[in-house]
Amino acid sequence: SQTIHQWPATLVQPVGSPLSLECTVEGTSNPNLYWYRQAAGRGLQLLFYSVGIGQISSEVPQNLSASRPQDRQFILSSKKLLLSDSGFYLCAWRTPSINIQYFGAGTRLSVL
Amino acid sequence: QQQVKQSPQSLIVQKGGISIINCAYENTAFDYFPWYQQFPGKGPALLIAIRPDVSEKKEGRFTISFNKSAKQFSLHIMDSQPGDSATYFCAAHRGSTLGRLYFGRGTQLTVWP
Repeated sequence: SQTIHQWPATLVQPVGSPLSLECTVEGTSNPNLYWYRQAAGRGLQLLFYSVGIGQISSEVPQNLSASRPQDRQFILSSKKLLLSDSGFYLCAWRTPSINIQYFGAGTRLSVL
Repeated sequence: QQQVKQSPQSLIVQKGGISIINCAYENTAFDYFPWYQQFPGKGPALLIAIRPDVSEKKEGRFTISFNKSAKQFSLHIMDSQPGDSATYFCAAHRGSTLGRLYFGRGTQLTVWP
C-alpha cells in the first residue's frame, strides 16, 4: 500500500534561518506531488506541485522554493524564513490517473 | 479569486442532528468534487467524492448532493456524532490542471453531546 511521510512533525525556527522540509512517498511510482500551507483557521493554499523529477510549478511567489531530486521525494526550502512563513505545511500526492490527493500528517512550523 | 466558495465557516450541531455544509463553484470545467475531513494537527483525509454526472452519493452517514445546473454541492452528515467534530473542506478538480484541487476555505464542525 502507498504511504506518505513528512518530517519533522514540529519545527521552531528563528527569523532569517533556513528551512528544509522533506516529504517521501512509498508504494507508488511517478506520483504527482504537492506542497500546501494552511494558516491557522484558514484553508489550504497550494504552494508548489510537481509532475516529475526536477519539474516544479509555483503557484505563489514568495521566499519558498521546492525541489524534487528523486521520483518520490519532494523538498520545501527557504534560505531565510519570515514570520509570515509560520503555518501548517502539508505534502500530498496522487497517482496521475486518479483524481484523489492523499495528504501527509503535516509539519507545524513556528517562526519566532 | 476563490474558485470554490464554502459555507458556513463554522457549524455547531447537537448530537444526532444533521450537519449540512454547502459549496458553490463557477468553472464548469470541474470534473470531480471531493470532500476532505481534517482533525486538529492532522492532514486532511478524503471523506467522500462525486462526479458531476451523479446527483447524489451516499456512504454511511455521509451524503453528497450535487446540483449541476446551480453549480452547487453539499455535504450532509446524518446522525452527527461528537467524533465528527473536525474541519471539512470541499474541493473541485479540473482535468487539465495536472491534478490540481481547488479547495473551499473549510467549515469547522462542532457536535455537542
